[in-house]
Amino acid sequence: EDKVVQSPLSLVVHEGDTVTLNCSYEVTNFRSLLWYKQEKKAPTFLFMLTSSGIEKKSGRLSSILDKKELFSILNITATQTGDSAIYLCAVEVANFGNEKLTFGTGTRLTIIP
Amino acid sequence: EAGVAQSPRYKIIEKRQSVAFWCNPISGHATLYWYQQILGQGPKLLIQFQNNGVVDDSQLPKDRFSAERLKGVDSTLKIQPAKLEDSAVYLCASSLGRGHSYNEQFFGPGTRLTVL
Repeated sequence: EDKVVQSPLSLVVHEGDTVTLNCSYEVTNFRSLLWYKQEKKAPTFLFMLTSSGIEKKSGRLSSILDKKELFSILNITATQTGDSAIYLCAVEVANFGNEKLTFGTGTRLTIIP
Repeated sequence: EAGVAQSPRYKIIEKRQSVAFWCNPISGHATLYWYQQILGQGPKLLIQFQNNGVVDDSQLPKDRFSAERLKGVDSTLKIQPAKLEDSAVYLCASSLGRGHSYNEQFFGPGTRLTVL
């Protein structure tokens, strides 16, 4: 059974701190790893990673994938209160030509002003 | 570009009652997904459609859940009868579908179901 594990489950930091969120996986037929931010209900897309060692960046957020060790990290620098959310990691697996996502349980990040 | 639309946004029912959720995907998206997200967990795929055909319903509790996408556009998910453990947010997502190299899923706002 495909498995995606995120850590920590929750994290509380002060505004301006840097945080690192972790995602490890055990899946068959890996295609990509995705990070989503979930504030209210709908997850919004952050990054898609397919190749090891290539960092993706968007403003203060960055992410990297290690396909040998089967994990990814999401870094957020100079955190702001608007970064408070649940961060979901999902792995896309090939499914007979129809890809599907397996999600982790998420990391709840709280930024204290 | 209009996003994925879902209704209702909230629903409260008693156990053993029936409920239906509606989803309208982004125009042109061939693939539609229904997810169940229980509090404190990540979304779990219930069913995936490619146009109006089911491609994966392996995690759908078929004794009480059903879904259809008759014209390959909008979709309904039904629960009959509901149980307490069905309380969750039901998310609909859509993507361009098979054959596209970049197949990002876009999520709707979800329906929060509470079963009493």
